[in-house]
Amino acid sequence: SQQGEEDPQALSIQEGENATMNCSYKTSINNLQWYRQNSGRGLVHLILIRSNEREKHSGRLRVTLDTSKKSSSLLITASRAADTASYFCATAPSGGYQKVTFGTGTKLQVIP
Amino acid sequence: NAGVTQTPKFQVLKTGQSMTLQCAQDMNHEYMSWYRQDPGMGLRLIHYSVGAGITDQGEVPNGYNVSRSTTEDFPLRLLSAAPSQTSVYFCASSYPPKLAKETQYFGPGTRLLVL
Repeated sequence: SQQGEEDPQALSIQEGENATMNCSYKTSINNLQWYRQNSGRGLVHLILIRSNEREKHSGRLRVTLDTSKKSSSLLITASRAADTASYFCATAPSGGYQKVTFGTGTKLQVIP
Repeated sequence: NAGVTQTPKFQVLKTGQSMTLQCAQDMNHEYMSWYRQDPGMGLRLIHYSVGAGITDQGEVPNGYNVSRSTTEDFPLRLLSAAPSQTSVYFCASSYPPKLAKETQYFGPGTRLLVL
């Protein structure tokens, strides 16, 4: 079963607007990661947030993590047409070697 | 560095045929994994390896075999292809130490169609 579930499944915004996507997960985690996938391509790592962190920034990306609610959000500010892609959260459970689990993804379309 | 490479890019098989999807990385990563991606399902882990000679099953291992004889290579074998194995397959590797918890680097994928 999928550990992470992204919401919304699809999002369409105008260039310059902010895009927010959410991820919920089920079990205790060591960290949560966000990846981007351009159509037909492999995934590219965007940002990692550890379970003891609440917020992290990287350029136009802002990630928050609420372990009490088992949820995370990814905010892309001042979106660009090049941000059009699918975005996935991935969770790494606590302890040992483990099986990173990906969510079902949010498909973002940024209209120029 | 070439990163993570996968071959072939696209393959068509008939039901019952076998084949091997190749994956190689030149980053000296200890952890490697195989995922399949189906529409609306995200990525699901098939098998993973934490180092040469060590493999383990993921979420959907049935119908697939793996081996890890070297650090660089992690081939995925389909024993007897079925239409349900039609998917896009991604190989990924992870930064040392031996924890997949950190960033994974993905290959470009192999599109497999089983008729």
